[in-house]
Amino acid sequence: GQSLEQPSEVTAVEGAIVQINCTYQTSGFYGLSWYQQHDGGAPTFLSYNGLDGLEETGRFSSFLSRSDSYGYLLLQELQMKDSASYFCAVLGQGNLIFGKGTKLSVKP
Amino acid sequence: DGGITQSPKYLFRKEGQNVTLSCEQNLNHDAMYWYRQDPGQGLRLIYYSQIVNDFQKGDIAEGYSVSREKKESFPLTVTSAQKNPTAFYLCASSLVLDYNEQFFGPGTRLTVL
Repeated sequence: GQSLEQPSEVTAVEGAIVQINCTYQTSGFYGLSWYQQHDGGAPTFLSYNGLDGLEETGRFSSFLSRSDSYGYLLLQELQMKDSASYFCAVLGQGNLIFGKGTKLSVKP
Repeated sequence: DGGITQSPKYLFRKEGQNVTLSCEQNLNHDAMYWYRQDPGQGLRLIYYSQIVNDFQKGDIAEGYSVSREKKESFPLTVTSAQKNPTAFYLCASSLVLDYNEQFFGPGTRLTVL
């Protein structure tokens, strides 16, 4: 079967660093993507890892370890506007398969 | 500005009625997708289309139908056969199929009364 596991909720304070983990089990694997979705809004693409290692985009970084079937999204210098749901998604044989999402709450 | 539009934003229908959700993109993308999202859940794929006049079933296609007569348009019909249609429906597109970055429309929230 195909599955992605990520924590359902994470809470952090403004200015802190938070890491959202994602483990996956899929048939076929090309890469791991991350999407952000604010309540009632559309998901927006954040990052993609096709190879092992760290990808950095401003305050956000994403990491992939293919041998461990594991990745994470790292958010630094948290801001209130970062409160949202974050989805990991695997690009495998076929289409993107999405995890159930991690709801991040940023507190003052 | 390029993007994806979905209409309407909110839709109410009576049980037993078919309803069509609109999705239009001007990004010149070949591939388009329809997802369903339930509260606290991820996105589940309903149908996808790689190119005009071609579409394939996703993981939860039962009770839904689509068409792809134009590159820009990928409407979704929720039929009366769909047992639990109340959900948030998201349309997306990507440059080509199996591309890692998908662009999403604002979504349509369908409520069956």
